[in-house]
Amino acid sequence: KAGVTQTPRYLIKTRGQQVTLSCSPISGHRSVSWYQQTPGQGLQFLFEYFSETQRNKGNFPGRFSGRQFSNSRSEMNVSTLELGDSALYLCASYLAEAYNEQFFGPGTRLTVL
Amino acid sequence: KQEVTQIPAALSVPEGENLVLNCSFTDSAIYNLQWFRQDPGKGLTSLLLIQSSQREQTSGRLNASLDKSSGRSTLYIAASQPGDSATYLCAVITGRRALTFGSGTRLQVQP
Repeated sequence: KAGVTQTPRYLIKTRGQQVTLSCSPISGHRSVSWYQQTPGQGLQFLFEYFSETQRNKGNFPGRFSGRQFSNSRSEMNVSTLELGDSALYLCASYLAEAYNEQFFGPGTRLTVL
Repeated sequence: KQEVTQIPAALSVPEGENLVLNCSFTDSAIYNLQWFRQDPGKGLTSLLLIQSSQREQTSGRLNASLDKSSGRSTLYIAASQPGDSATYLCAVITGRRALTFGSGTRLQVQP
């Protein structure tokens, strides 16, 4: 069974630009969550999607948004990039509920210059 | 608000040692606890999931225990190997919300 895939693996952007990251969950999994990992703040929850609906949202500004498609693939978008958005963005895939075992992708490393 | 603490923050041991990593959480009303491993610059690998009704789970050389009432979990690694070197993270789910992570224990196993 294929694991969680995330594309692209690395991104370099400049301040003010916008970026879109993609996550393909494990086949049969209907939920996707996104996390931001930084050395200072650790792993922080961004949002969760189930059946194309955002079910939960973390404490991030509105510049961070996401969506989920009918095939469960998910994208997250960050607009008006700031230096502090540089981080490893991880997505997690699971069957349906957040208390199911969660499986993470390799992440997208975003660097904002 | 759920808070998760992991002790120690870093650990260096010689190959072959048995070791224990600790995780504590402030809100005992959890659904489950999950242990992950993260290699530098990589994603998270799920090691063990313990449901709130369970006391422990085992996978190979790994054994994780859960004491929900006291808000503690331990990850026991037997006969450590250099390939075990990584950061180990524990995370809990409270209610239907997202995983709350500890800051991790960085493990170095010396050959």
